[in-house]
Amino acid sequence: EAGVTQFPSHSVIEKGQTVTLRCDPISGHDNLYWYRRVMGKEIKFLLHFVKESKQDESGMPNNRFLAERTGGTYSTLKVQPAELEDSGVYFCASSQGHTQYFGPGTRLTVL
Amino acid sequence: GQQVMQIPQYQHVQEGEDFTTYCNSSTTLSNIQWYKQRPGGHPVFLIQLVKSGEVKKQKRLTFQFGEAKKNSSLHITATQTTDVGTYFCPWYQAGTALIFGKGTTLSVSS
Repeated sequence: EAGVTQFPSHSVIEKGQTVTLRCDPISGHDNLYWYRRVMGKEIKFLLHFVKESKQDESGMPNNRFLAERTGGTYSTLKVQPAELEDSGVYFCASSQGHTQYFGPGTRLTVL
Repeated sequence: GQQVMQIPQYQHVQEGEDFTTYCNSSTTLSNIQWYKQRPGGHPVFLIQLVKSGEVKKQKRLTFQFGEAKKNSSLHITATQTTDVGTYFCPWYQAGTALIFGKGTTLSVSS
């Protein structure tokens, strides 16, 4: 069974540009989560989808971040416009119960 | 709110030595999970403990959940270089978000 996949693995953009990250959860998992780890900090929760609905988006840092999960399958996280402090590793996780399975992450660098 | 402290934050051992990390909660936990993150990698689920006093083993790893369900430990017997990484015991907040602390970063020299 395929695990959680994320694309791209790395992205380098300039401040002010837009970037879209994609996450494909494990097939059949209704729950999809986004987390972020910025340099030197702990992994922080961003938001949680149940199917296509946002269950909890309390961790989204500001309105430059937009997450979608149309059709309840894959999810995208768009950052527009990107700022320097958005640099970090963005993880996606999925679950069908309590256990969350993480993807390999997207390393975002904003110059 | 609920706080789970993990100690130590860093641990260096010689290959073959044992290693233990501890998680202590200010409140009773319904369950606890353990994850491992290799350098440059992503958190990988290791195990979930649910019952008071539960002990589970995975090869050289032994996981314990305290009788009061307020603490847990992960013990590695005879560490190997492949055990290098950061071990986390995240907890749930409001039923959805996993809250990760700093974890315990283990380094092993051969």
